[in-house]
Amino acid sequence: DIQMTQSPSTLSASVGDRVTITCRASQSISSWLAWYQQKPGKAPKLLIYKASSLESGVPSRFSGSGSGTEFTLTISSLQPDDFATYYCQQYNSYSLTFGGGTKVEIK
Amino acid sequence: QITLKESGPTLVKPTQTLTLTCTFSGFSLSTSGVGVGWIRQPPGKALEWLALIYWDDDKRYSPSLKSRLTITKDTSKNQVVLTMTNMDPVDTATYYCARQAGAEYYFDYWGQGTLVTVSS
Repeated sequence: DIQMTQSPSTLSASVGDRVTITCRASQSISSWLAWYQQKPGKAPKLLIYKASSLESGVPSRFSGSGSGTEFTLTISSLQPDDFATYYCQQYNSYSLTFGGGTKVEIK
Repeated sequence: QITLKESGPTLVKPTQTLTLTCTFSGFSLSTSGVGVGWIRQPPGKALEWLALIYWDDDKRYSPSLKSRLTITKDTSKNQVVLTMTNMDPVDTATYYCARQAGAEYYFDYWGQGTLVTVSS
């Protein structure tokens, strides 16, 4: 299995901050990476696919970058609605794997 | 409008078999490239992919759980069924079904999830 490691596991930030979350793959996954946002008690919501493609309806303050083994999710100006847990997911292989999650908390 | 909804027991005993049904609308599992997957999340923990079934009946399973899982589809009923044998308390989790669309294996629509507790 390809292992996905996210960092940090928890991030404290303020409204208006620029936030960056990192996801590292144990082997190259090209650009086959998605990012999800999950709020407590809710299902995950797709934000980004193919490393940098913004899902329809997702605010443009979210962006993704990277290829190979290192990827980032950036929120350019954190909004109150963005406090949540974020997960990356690789789909380079048929065995899909998620990262451990990054919780974005209010500072 | 695409929707998915999970149904099944909320409580199962250890060693029992869990059967979950995903009923969806707004798309067809007979459409080329479409798939439906199952993902679970233990309380307070990360997401874990379990299984995926495609429009052409191709099936994929998590290697670590493959021996315990079976995924099937009923295209006429717009349903996907997941069975997991030999349930254990560590299998306590919220189970989600989700749509995989196109040639890329990410999930664009998710059900609300159903919490399954394994306890005697």
